[in-house]
Amino acid sequence: QVQLVQSASEVKKPGSSVKISCTTSGETFRSYSLNWLRQAPGQGPEWMGDIVPIFHMANYAQRFQGRVSITADESTSTVYMELSSLRPDDTAVYFCARDYTVKAPYFEYWGQGTLVTVSS
Amino acid sequence: EIVLTQSPGTLSLSPGERVTLSCRASQSLHSGYLAWYQQKPGQAPRLLIYGASNRATGIPDRFSGSGSGTDFTLAISRLEPEDFAVYYCQQYDTPPWTFGQGTKVDMK
Repeated sequence: QVQLVQSASEVKKPGSSVKISCTTSGETFRSYSLNWLRQAPGQGPEWMGDIVPIFHMANYAQRFQGRVSITADESTSTVYMELSSLRPDDTAVYFCARDYTVKAPYFEYWGQGTLVTVSS
Repeated sequence: EIVLTQSPGTLSLSPGERVTLSCRASQSLHSGYLAWYQQKPGQAPRLLIYGASNRATGIPDRFSGSGSGTDFTLAISRLEPEDFAVYYCQQYDTPPWTFGQGTKVDMK
């Protein structure tokens, strides 16, 4: 059973940063790309970027370039997504998700989601 | 980036009815690199279809996908009570991977 376990909800002020974690099994960590997506209320999911954890190679959607950083910690099989310069419209549920298989970026396994609220 | 436009926005139907949902891409998706998801409130999306027409593991055969190029369809042959949800399409032809805005299927 593939599990992706995310950190708890966060409330942040505009202009600050948030760092969310996603912990999985060693097999998933070693063998698959892990993605970060977000979903604002009433909208479709939005892909932010991904990482090949064992190579620490991350790719980002251009609209988040410069504001997002995806990293991986092999010792704990955890990937992180940090988003900076937060704005109220960054309020969303953030998900991590595993590629279906190698180089197949559609998503069968998802974390439970982390609500990030940005408000002054 | 590739824009996916889903139609209609909302469908009001009864259990047992057949439904077809549309997803149109702003440019051709080579090799049919399109997936469909179902999402219920408070849950993560559930993968239904990949490669335009391949059912994911454990997905009932009342769900089917078709299409190529820029026009894709998800069909549900007979709606079950648990099928009332929001459905999204996603392209994985060209990064950034993008999703449609969703079609809500609700109970009449």
